[in-house]
Amino acid sequence: DQQVKQNSPSLSVQEGRISILNCDYTNSMFDYFLWYKKYPAEGPTFLISISSIKDKNEDGRFTVFLNKSAKHLSLHIVPSQPGDSAVYFCAASKFRVASGNTPLVFGKGTRLSVIA
Amino acid sequence: ETGVTQSPTHLIKTRGQQVTLRCSSQSGHNTVSWYQQALGQGPQFIFQYYREEENGRGNFPPRFSGLQFPNYSSELNVNALELDDSALYLCASSGGTKITEAFFGQGTRLTVV
Repeated sequence: DQQVKQNSPSLSVQEGRISILNCDYTNSMFDYFLWYKKYPAEGPTFLISISSIKDKNEDGRFTVFLNKSAKHLSLHIVPSQPGDSAVYFCAASKFRVASGNTPLVFGKGTRLSVIA
Repeated sequence: ETGVTQSPTHLIKTRGQQVTLRCSSQSGHNTVSWYQQALGQGPQFIFQYYREEENGRGNFPPRFSGLQFPNYSSELNVNALELDDSALYLCASSGGTKITEAFFGQGTRLTVV
């Protein structure tokens, strides 16, 4: 039973345009969501996160939107650059005061290709 | 801040053997989690250590075991290796000033033949 789903295995976008990566979750107990980027032969790199008390968080070219009623989040990259080409993972967790997040539950990832 | 480092980066083992993977957590972090990433999949949680105690475990058999040391570094041990254990093993540390964020090492690529 997959609790975090990324239904698009791949996405191709022209350089300079917007990339939109989508993620759905089923567990209503999740209250913290993160996006990671992964290049081949490297570990995932933290990109941006959002708490369930917010519906938007922005960091430079990256914006994450959260729709709690739909259990859906999306990552927008504007403008897209060739260096953004990587696999993007959506992850979810529950926050604990003492030790931070519970372990992350990941989607299967979406491979983004930004074409120059 | 020093990052999360894992060793070795690659190794090949024979079915039935045992393996130990190591992780040095990021400075100031007291929580280490281990994940297994099979080809084409997202990382799957194996277990987590918080202040040297196991703090949660995923759906992995007991032949996957771990340790966390007083300096918060960690080991993952896998006994009786099976072919399906071939994967990228990722260590993530968290619990610093940005308590909600986990930072990953580069991973150990394990191949079981």
